[in-house]
Amino acid sequence: KNEVEQSPQNLTAQEGEFITINCSYSVGISALHWLQQHPGGGIVSLFMLSSGKKKHGRLIATINIQEKHSSLHITASHPRDSAVYICAAPLNSGGSNYKLTFGKGTLLTVNP
Amino acid sequence: NAGVMQNPRHLVRRRGQEARLRCSPVKGHSHVYWYRQLPEEGLKFMVYLQKENIIDESGMPKERFSAEFPKEGPSILRIQQVVRGDSAAYFCASSSLAGALTDTQYFGPGTRLTVL
Repeated sequence: KNEVEQSPQNLTAQEGEFITINCSYSVGISALHWLQQHPGGGIVSLFMLSSGKKKHGRLIATINIQEKHSSLHITASHPRDSAVYICAAPLNSGGSNYKLTFGKGTLLTVNP
Repeated sequence: NAGVMQNPRHLVRRRGQEARLRCSPVKGHSHVYWYRQLPEEGLKFMVYLQKENIIDESGMPKERFSAEFPKEGPSILRIQQVVRGDSAAYFCASSSLAGALTDTQYFGPGTRLTVL
């Protein structure tokens, strides 16, 4: 059983739509990571957050520590946002932040 | 500033051969992490190293796999006597801190290993 659950598994949107990807995890953590993996396979770290909200361009990440839930939002989505979005949390690392457990990812496809 | 470099990007080996995967962290980073992504599966932690030390290898198979991060040069993930099940994408990440709330891991482009 994966302790980091993402939904939806697949998401198709039209250009310009507002996108939300959800992530829930099973135990208290110090911080949560959002990653982006493009079709070519490379991984980019988007956010690391421990509370509240972070914004970078059209991307917004929020986290609710009490509810063990995080969301990644994309405003005004664009075809170039098409990628797999992965959340990761240090669930079994004794309080440290390095040993990440990854969700299975959400495949986002944005059509023009 | 160069990011995390991994080479080779693609590696093909026959069963029984050895695979050596290299990772050069971001300049100034002394913490390196290796992850494996099996086909149709999520990323899994393998090992965490600091310069000349293995800190946590709990995610690495006990046999045939080894990792090092020498004082000079890149980190190496070595797989001896590869089998078809080793076919996967292997990602390396680096950070300047570990365990800190401000730590961010920077990922390399990955090495895609195919075992024939």
